[in-house]
Amino acid sequence: DAGVIQSPRHEVTEMGQEVTLRCKPISGHNSLFWYRQTMMRGLELLIYFNNNVPIDDSGMPEDRFSAKMPNASFSTLKIQPSEPRDSAVYFCASRADIHQPQHFGDGTRLSIL
Amino acid sequence: QKEVEQDPGPLSVPEGAIVSLNCTYSNSAFQYFMWYRQYSRKGPELLMYTYSSGNKEDGRFTAQVDKSSKYISLFIRDSQPSDSATYLCAMSANGNQFYFGTGTSLTVIP
Repeated sequence: DAGVIQSPRHEVTEMGQEVTLRCKPISGHNSLFWYRQTMMRGLELLIYFNNNVPIDDSGMPEDRFSAKMPNASFSTLKIQPSEPRDSAVYFCASRADIHQPQHFGDGTRLSIL
Repeated sequence: QKEVEQDPGPLSVPEGAIVSLNCTYSNSAFQYFMWYRQYSRKGPELLMYTYSSGNKEDGRFTAQVDKSSKYISLFIRDSQPSDSATYLCAMSANGNQFYFGTGTSLTVIP
């Protein structure tokens, strides 16, 4: 079975550039989550979707961050403009329903110079 | 105060030892509890998932939840070098907003 697929695996870009991270959830899962992981703060929830609709984006750090889910099989997290403090590993996770656990992708390692 | 506290370690044990990993939390409304294992440069992989309180066993792994003490544990029996990873606890009140510990790094020495 294909798990959660994220791309790119690594991204290095300069400060001020737009960054787009992509996620394909597991087929049939109706919830999708975006997380950010750093050494200091661990895993933090940024936003989650149910049935393609954003439910809670209170974890999005600021207006430079935006997320979309145009259909059940694809989501993007965009940072514009990017800053060095955005450097982290960004994970996408999906799950079948509220009583099922989340399954994570292998993340995108983002470095902003 | 953080929602979830987890000792970062590192923890180093000999092969075959019993490992105990723990998390404490402050929100008494938490009722979904999970343990994930994360290898270097990989995503977290679900190990155990518990709803409400009690114990759950799966092979060499046992998860315990003590809601009165706001304390959860993961025990690994007969630890193997392949168990060397970072272990993350996670919990939620509503099944949507999950709070993660910062992880405990474990090394099992052959």
